[in-house]
Amino acid sequence: SQQGEEDPQALSIQEGENATMNCSYKTSINNLQWYRQNSGRGLVHLILIRSNEREKHSGRLRVTLDTSKKSSSLLITASRAADTASYFCATVLNDMRFGAGTRLTVKP
Amino acid sequence: DTAVSQTPKYLVTQMGNDKSIKCEQNLGHDTMYWYKQDSKKFLKIMFSYNNKELIINETVPNRFSPKSPDKAHLNLHINSLELGDSAVYFCASSQVSQGTEQYFGPGTRLTVT
Repeated sequence: SQQGEEDPQALSIQEGENATMNCSYKTSINNLQWYRQNSGRGLVHLILIRSNEREKHSGRLRVTLDTSKKSSSLLITASRAADTASYFCATVLNDMRFGAGTRLTVKP
Repeated sequence: DTAVSQTPKYLVTQMGNDKSIKCEQNLGHDTMYWYKQDSKKFLKIMFSYNNKELIINETVPNRFSPKSPDKAHLNLHINSLELGDSAVYFCASSQVSQGTEQYFGPGTRLTVT
């Protein structure tokens, strides 16, 4: 299946620590995107990385992509309580396929 | 200003009923989508609609049908509702067909009793 699989399923850290979430997929992709979902809300786009890119930054977010290993990681540095949410990777080839997400809890 | 809006936010109905969920986007996007998120938070594409071209996920039952009166609206009609249809349904839009970032609505929680 093309869809991404996030790891871990749940992650709990203290405010100020870094959070790393991983995404693995099985087929070729055009790009890979990360989204955040706060409880009871819709998804919000965070960052898009193309298949020919290896790393991308946006504020406290850092995304890497290794197409040889078919994997991506999302790093959130200096986490805040407001970062508590579910994070999804989505792979794009003919359409967009989401994984089941990583539930991140940042304790104040 | 709400970019992608959905109504209603909550919908409780009985098995066998027919219901609709409305979606509107004011972003001027060309493509709209419907997703279903189940109780395990798994998000699955149901439909994408671009310039009158409808792409259907083959696993979606034909009881579900999208209707687009214009480019800014994509409504979801569900006939003969079943218990397994209970989920959160999200509408989304993007500037071009596939590949670019998508903007999601707040979701409609459908409960079938």
